[in-house]
Amino acid sequence: EAGVVQSPRYKIIEKKQPVAFWCNPISGHNTLYWYRQNLGQGPELLIRYENEEAVDDSQLPKDRFSAERLKGVDSTLKIQPAELGDSAVYLCASSGWFDRNYGYTFGSGTRLTVV
Amino acid sequence: AQSVTQPDIHITVSEGASLELRCNYSYGATPYLFWYVQSPGQGLQLLLKYFSGDTLVQGIKGFEAEFKRSQSSFNLRKPSVHWSDAAEYFCAVGPMDSNYQLIWGAGTKLIIKP
Repeated sequence: EAGVVQSPRYKIIEKKQPVAFWCNPISGHNTLYWYRQNLGQGPELLIRYENEEAVDDSQLPKDRFSAERLKGVDSTLKIQPAELGDSAVYLCASSGWFDRNYGYTFGSGTRLTVV
Repeated sequence: AQSVTQPDIHITVSEGASLELRCNYSYGATPYLFWYVQSPGQGLQLLLKYFSGDTLVQGIKGFEAEFKRSQSSFNLRKPSVHWSDAAEYFCAVGPMDSNYQLIWGAGTKLIIKP
């Protein structure tokens, strides 16, 4: 079974430019998460989706970040405009509602560098 | 406040030596407990988890962890480390009544000496 797929793996952009990350979760997983991980730190939740509904976006900086999961499957996270402090690894994860393997499955992440 | 503490930022062990990574948590009720590993440039991979029952849980790659309720700890162990175990290890806890909002430790970077 394919895992959580993220693209691109790496992205380098100049500050003030827009950037978008894509995530395709494990088939059948209704819950999708976007995390940001700064160097040397644990992941921080940005947004959680249950199907197509964003049920927790309290940590998402809404002035520049946006996300969507239109059909309740894959998702896109966007930053516009990017700032130097946005340099981090952006991780997508998914989980099933009664997944006996409880616990997130993470993608490989997108490493963003803003210069 | 809910929190997870991994007291060691870095740990260096010799290849073949035993390993213990510490994790302490503060939580209102008994949570689900997890250990994840992150190799350089990779996402996080689940090593093992504790839900209930036997407090000693076995995971992948020869790792195990022991839940000690009285100490609010969930330490990760491996009897003999390999060079390929060099990575960052994260402890996380989550509520028993929902499938989200894990609370993460800051991670422990494991360095293996040849």
